[in-house]
Amino acid sequence: GAGVSQSPSNKVTEKGKDVELRCDPISGHTALYWYRQSLGQGLEFLIYFQGNSAPDKSGLPSDRFSAERTGGSVSTLTIQRTQQEDSAVYLCASSFGQGGQPQHFGDGTRLSIL
Amino acid sequence: GNSVTQMEGPVTLSEEAFLTINCTYTATGYPSLFWYVQYPGEGLQLLLKATKADDKGSNKGFEATYRKETTSFHLEKGSVQVSDSAVYFCALSGGSGGYNKLIFGAGTRLAVHP
Repeated sequence: GAGVSQSPSNKVTEKGKDVELRCDPISGHTALYWYRQSLGQGLEFLIYFQGNSAPDKSGLPSDRFSAERTGGSVSTLTIQRTQQEDSAVYLCASSFGQGGQPQHFGDGTRLSIL
Repeated sequence: GNSVTQMEGPVTLSEEAFLTINCTYTATGYPSLFWYVQYPGEGLQLLLKATKADDKGSNKGFEATYRKETTSFHLEKGSVQVSDSAVYFCALSGGSGGYNKLIFGAGTRLAVHP
């Protein structure tokens, strides 16, 4: 497809379980970003990948959160030992480089922790 | 650090009314400024952008001008439609904060009635 694709669109899991969220960026986009959208906190930056550079992990809220990007394309965000406060919509975006280039967002994964 | 402040919503208007959503920012250097829109049940879509002072971004009848002297990027539309009902987010990237992430305002919900 032409846009950023995220899967699953919805995920319900029990507290304490691990979850993996997937993002397929727009072809040719070298930069990939993860954000979290929650009622109390608004839109928060989580992590940023640019080419082969070390990722900017400064937004990850705890060491239970991690992300990787394989082959400079697909990215997976992993949350270990989920907590109820992890419930949110997780958004992925990609852009052609950085330097003020607009970011294009996927529809997000709605994560609900029971 | 860099930040974005938007007027609180909801903003409720009748169709064909004039819209202004205020956005001000705090940043050092020369950030790029964006407006994103989120329609019900959908992801974020880029509405318009401006990358330097006095630039005017425009799209779908919406406009915003990058005002460095007032650190503002107010969104305007001359005649709103019911289909414009959505949440609007002002955001910035760059400046001294770097281009690794977008910093978002809290969002302003717009409801347009026939």
